[in-house]
Order: sequence, then C-alpha cells, then structure tokens
Amino acid sequence: EVQVLESGGGLVQPGGSLRLSCAASGLTFSSYAMGWVRQAPGKGLEWVSGISSSGGGTYYADSVKGRFTISRDNSKNTLYLQMNSLRAEDTAVYYCAKSPLAARPYYMDVWGRGTTVTVSS
Amino acid sequence: EIVLTQSPGTLSLSPGERATLSCRASQSVSSSSLAWYQQKPGQAPRLLIYGASSRATGIPDRFSGSGYGTDFTLTISRLEPEDLAVYYCQQYGSSPCSFGQGTKLEIK
Repeated sequence: EVQVLESGGGLVQPGGSLRLSCAASGLTFSSYAMGWVRQAPGKGLEWVSGISSSGGGTYYADSVKGRFTISRDNSKNTLYLQMNSLRAEDTAVYYCAKSPLAARPYYMDVWGRGTTVTVSS
Repeated sequence: EIVLTQSPGTLSLSPGERATLSCRASQSVSSSSLAWYQQKPGQAPRLLIYGASSRATGIPDRFSGSGYGTDFTLTISRLEPEDLAVYYCQQYGSSPCSFGQGTKLEIK
C-alpha cells in the first residue's frame, strides 16, 4: 500500500523557520512528482509547492515564493519543505501528496494525514 | 494564476437525490486538466476525478465529472449519507496549480 507520512510541524514564532518532512513507502518514490498542500483552520485547500520526480523542476504558489523551498532525497524516499520567514497566515495543516506522473505535480492521488504548523508569538 | 469559483457554497439534499456541483475557471483550463476531491470531516482529501471526467481508482460510478474550457461539473447520483463532505476542484494545467474554495454537501 502506498503511504506518505508527514512530520516536523509545530509552534514557531513569526519570522522563524521550520522544516517539514514526508516519508513515502510502498512505491518507487523517484518515479513520481510530489507536492505540498495546506489548509488553514476552517478554510479551504491551498496548493503550496511541487517538485518533479528528479527534483529538477520546482514550483511554488506566489504566497510562499522566496520563503519556502521544496526538495527531495530519492535515496531516502523523503520529501521536504523548508519554510523560512514564517508569518501568522502560514498557520495551517500541511499535507504531503503524491502525483501519479513524473514531470510536475498534476493532480494528487495519495495524501498524507497532515502535520500542523502554528505561527504565533 | 487561474482562479476557480465553485458553486453553490453549500448544498443540502436528501439521500437518493442527485447533486450537481459547479466549478468555473477564470480562463480556459488546458487539456481538461481539472480534478475533483472529497474531504470528509477530520480527514485528508481524496481524489475522485481527474482529467475532468476520469474516475480515480476505487471511486463508485455514482460520481461523474464533465466539462471543458472554463466550466466543469461534478455530479453525484443517488446520494448516500457518507457523501457528507466538502468537495474541491483543482486545475493543474497551468502553474501554479489552484483549488476552488469548496462546496459543502449536507445530507438531510
């Protein structure tokens, strides 16, 4: 069974940094694009960032561009999201998700349960 | 960025009825690159439809998608109580990807 499991969420002060991880199992990780989607409390889904299967292509929402960096380690079957200069509006559940294709994050066919990031002083 | 607008915001129907959910794009979605997701309370989203009309693995045929260009529809025939959820559309034809704001489906 294909599974993805997020970790690394927590409470951080405004302006601080946090790194999320997503461990994948049950699949050939290096064959698929991956992405991060977030959901603020009581709000809808917001696409955050995506990365191609090789890591050579990265994509960002305007709201996080220049502050967040997506990366992957195919030898460890792990996806990362480095979040810097965090703001209160970054508070959300962050979902890791798998795309069924390699080139870039298209639609997402496998989702994790999410990890919560709270930005507050 | 393509903006997706979903309507109605909330839909309240009885079991056995048919639900029609709309997703309208601010510009044409290339290659019908439109997906639908279901998010039940307290759960992660689940993929229902991709390519505007293809059902994902394990999705019952009560769920169907249609449309092209800027207008897309998710239809749920014969509603069941477990269909209570928020439904989101997503376009992935243009970068950055974007989601609609969601339609909440209530079962009477």
